[in-house]
Amino acid sequence: DSGVTQTPKHLITATGQRVTLRCSPRSGDLSVYWYQQSLDQGLQFLIQYYNGEERAKGNILERFSAQQFPDLHSELNLSSLELGDSALYFCASSGGVQETQYFGPGTRLLVL
Amino acid sequence: SQQGEEDPQALSIQEGENATMNCSYKTSINNLQWYRQNSGRGLVHLILIRSNEREKHSGRLRVTLDTSKKSSSLLITASRAADTASYFCATDADSGGYQKVTFGTGTKLQVIP
Repeated sequence: DSGVTQTPKHLITATGQRVTLRCSPRSGDLSVYWYQQSLDQGLQFLIQYYNGEERAKGNILERFSAQQFPDLHSELNLSSLELGDSALYFCASSGGVQETQYFGPGTRLLVL
Repeated sequence: SQQGEEDPQALSIQEGENATMNCSYKTSINNLQWYRQNSGRGLVHLILIRSNEREKHSGRLRVTLDTSKKSSSLLITASRAADTASYFCATDADSGGYQKVTFGTGTKLQVIP
């Protein structure tokens, strides 16, 4: 158990819908990272927050957005969902900005 | 090749043998990390090696880093069936004033009992 929690575990929705994925980092960790893992794209870094502020941006679509709240939990919002958004979405946390990342169990999103 | 590309893509060995996986990257890095992932599960951090380090050990794991060749290797000695998983390297580099972490495509390791 990494100490990072993600909810929900599974999510099935339809194209065009919007979903919110939630992540609670390990106690004391200030950085939260979001990744998307699909069969054809591998593990893709989406975005990183550090202590509430956006720190780095990867291959995140404009339809996706994220934020980190004062209690350090983070949410990833996916809107206007497409079939290709079906993937595993992982959240990771670390104490700082260049430290070991601890991954949550992931949210499996299926867009029908 | 993309930043953080592992080689081989897949590896199948007998229990007890050693497994070696390689990772190549393109840009200067701050550190490089190796992760393991069991099918459909979250990634588990194995080891972090900083750019000024050349070798690191953790149990049956040995990681080397050659910054001149922009490559790293992960050696698992005396493999066990439970080592069957995908292994990813991740590079941590500065990008436009920010830190950017890039994962490779992974090596699928199968250890046959």
